[in-house]
Amino acid sequence: DTEVTQTPKHLVMGMTNKKSLKCEQHMGHRAMYWYKQKAKKPPELMFVYSYEKLSINESVPSRFSPECPNSSLLNLHLHALQPEDSALYLCASSQESRTSPFRTQYFGPGTRLLVL
Amino acid sequence: AQTVTQSQPEMSVQEAETVTLSCTYDTSENNYYLFWYKQPPSRQMILVIRQEAYKQQNATENRFSVNFQKAAKSFSLKISDSQLGDTAMYFCAFMKRRNTDKLIFGTGTRLQVFP
Repeated sequence: DTEVTQTPKHLVMGMTNKKSLKCEQHMGHRAMYWYKQKAKKPPELMFVYSYEKLSINESVPSRFSPECPNSSLLNLHLHALQPEDSALYLCASSQESRTSPFRTQYFGPGTRLLVL
Repeated sequence: AQTVTQSQPEMSVQEAETVTLSCTYDTSENNYYLFWYKQPPSRQMILVIRQEAYKQQNATENRFSVNFQKAAKSFSLKISDSQLGDTAMYFCAFMKRRNTDKLIFGTGTRLQVFP
């Protein structure tokens, strides 16, 4: 089972709204990721959580605030976004194992965000 | 810095035929990992195949196989017996062995499979 779920599938918000994106995995993975993907472009890494601690922040503006409440959940809190933040937001998770020393990332279906 | 180049923005193939997608990368690392991901119109990024650089044998997964040329820094994907469901954007990606959290993606190749 390599399932990562994301809610909502679609989100429309105004520039003054506060909203949250949610990501969940039950594979026992201990690393979780947020990516931003614009149309016809590759995903861009935003944040990495490893063992529920923020390990990478790719200089993302503070209007994006990640949270990892437990090892299965990852949230992305959104506040005062700009229209250029409209994109597909992908969550991924990964785990090291003895048979596979590297972390293959498994992606969720994404949340399509439109900021008006 | 590592870079990944996919020189074919778009490709098309007829159903049941074979197609090869190109990927080259630039790195000074000796140990690393390479991936092909597929993203159909449904948006979900799906792992197709992966290769460990220290393994000389090319990875295969059913109809998908790679031609890994380490000296040439080339990692092409061959899709045999193409199916309509293979229509998608394909991304090649690189990961250093020492930092297994950062995937570096190429710009992608849009593959269209025609009946």
